[in-house]
Amino acid sequence: DVVMTQSPLSLTVTLGRPASISCRASQGLVHSDGNIYLNWFQQRPGQSPRRLISKVSTRDSGVPDRFSGSGSGTDFTLKISRVESEDVGVYYCMQGTHWPYAFGQGTKLEIK
Amino acid sequence: QAQLVQSGAEVKKPGTSVRVSCKASGYIFTNSGVSWVRQAPGRGLEWMAWISAYNGNINYVQKFQGRVTVTTDTSTSTAYMDLTSLRSDDTAVYYCGRGPGLRDWGQGTLVTVSS
Repeated sequence: DVVMTQSPLSLTVTLGRPASISCRASQGLVHSDGNIYLNWFQQRPGQSPRRLISKVSTRDSGVPDRFSGSGSGTDFTLKISRVESEDVGVYYCMQGTHWPYAFGQGTKLEIK
Repeated sequence: QAQLVQSGAEVKKPGTSVRVSCKASGYIFTNSGVSWVRQAPGRGLEWMAWISAYNGNINYVQKFQGRVTVTTDTSTSTAYMDLTSLRSDDTAVYYCGRGPGLRDWGQGTLVTVSS
């Protein structure tokens, strides 16, 4: 099974400063159809998760452009260009290429 | 826009079963599968299964194989997740999601297993 490892597991960032979360897969995530099914989710306190990014770098509709995704092979990154107070929560990466699909452990983002 | 509405919270005794429903609206149900993910208190997200609403193909995570059954009713755009032989460590919020990519999520259903 593919294991997804996120780092750091906790992140404290000053308002307006950038943040970056890494996600590493235990094996490559290129699907037989050529796509890389690596998604990022945000879970605000007390809420259901919300998808931010699909297929490494495609932002979902309504997601602010301060969120961006990048990566290839086994290493992926979620970046927030300028953290805002509403960004507090836990962020998960998820691979949807190889069954069983899998989430990372989550990264808790707090504001300093 | 797409919406997934789940059934209400449940309290169950160990050894019994639970059914969680997930009614979809705002999109063509048969164009997307339905995924099931759970989250134990204070823990991360855990995949359970997903089912294609188009052809009924199902994938189960091996950990839950034999205890979980997922189905869809295309006439009502509703998906169901049945979990049997409940244990205390099945206490969690259970989420349904649109498609294997979890484009949209239900509000979650808290299942509490306690004697």
